[in-house]
Amino acid sequence: QQQVKQSPQSLIVQKGGISIINCAYENTAFDYFPWYQQFPGKGPALLIAIRPDVSEKKEGRFTISFNKSAKQFSLHIMDSQPGDSATYFCAAGRRGSTLGRLYFGRGTQLTVWP
Amino acid sequence: IAGITQAPTSQILAAGRRMTLRCTQDMRHNAMYWYRQDLGLGLRLIHYSNTAGTTGKGEVPDGYSVSRANTDDFPLTLASAVPSQTSVYFCASSEIGNLNTGELFFGEGSRLTVL
Repeated sequence: QQQVKQSPQSLIVQKGGISIINCAYENTAFDYFPWYQQFPGKGPALLIAIRPDVSEKKEGRFTISFNKSAKQFSLHIMDSQPGDSATYFCAAGRRGSTLGRLYFGRGTQLTVWP
Repeated sequence: IAGITQAPTSQILAAGRRMTLRCTQDMRHNAMYWYRQDLGLGLRLIHYSNTAGTTGKGEVPDGYSVSRANTDDFPLTLASAVPSQTSVYFCASSEIGNLNTGELFFGEGSRLTVL
């Protein structure tokens, strides 16, 4: 059973456009929602994370929107650049000693055309 | 700064053989993890260790074992490899405690093919 569902599987965006990736979860015990970025041949790296006590978190061109009642969260990449082309994973977990034990979505391969 | 070092980078293995993937960290993090990444399935947790001397099962532990003799090393062993264990394996570490930000630091992966 997939704990975190992610869509779309792939996304093609023109340079300067907005990239939007959506995720949904079922387990209401989750209270930590990170996004990881992965380039080919590399390990994933933390991009941005949110906790359910806020509805939005912004870091530069990257914004997480969180809807606790709908159990959904999304990543928005504003002014998308070719260097943003990568695979993005949403994840969910619980704070405390289990915090590193994450459930990942299946990933979204983003391609930004110049 | 090396961070997480994994070895080997890639390996082709005959089914039934024993294989150990090595992972070493130099960040003195107390927690370490093994994830496998399969196309279309994302990353799934195999085993974890919150501190030296303790280990736990993740989402997909069958066919794998781990040990944590010290803070820095966390090897993953496949006792008798099967083709379904063909995957890219990522080791990761994080800090647990009051300073915990939740960030996982990943290695660059070990690509394993079981024939």
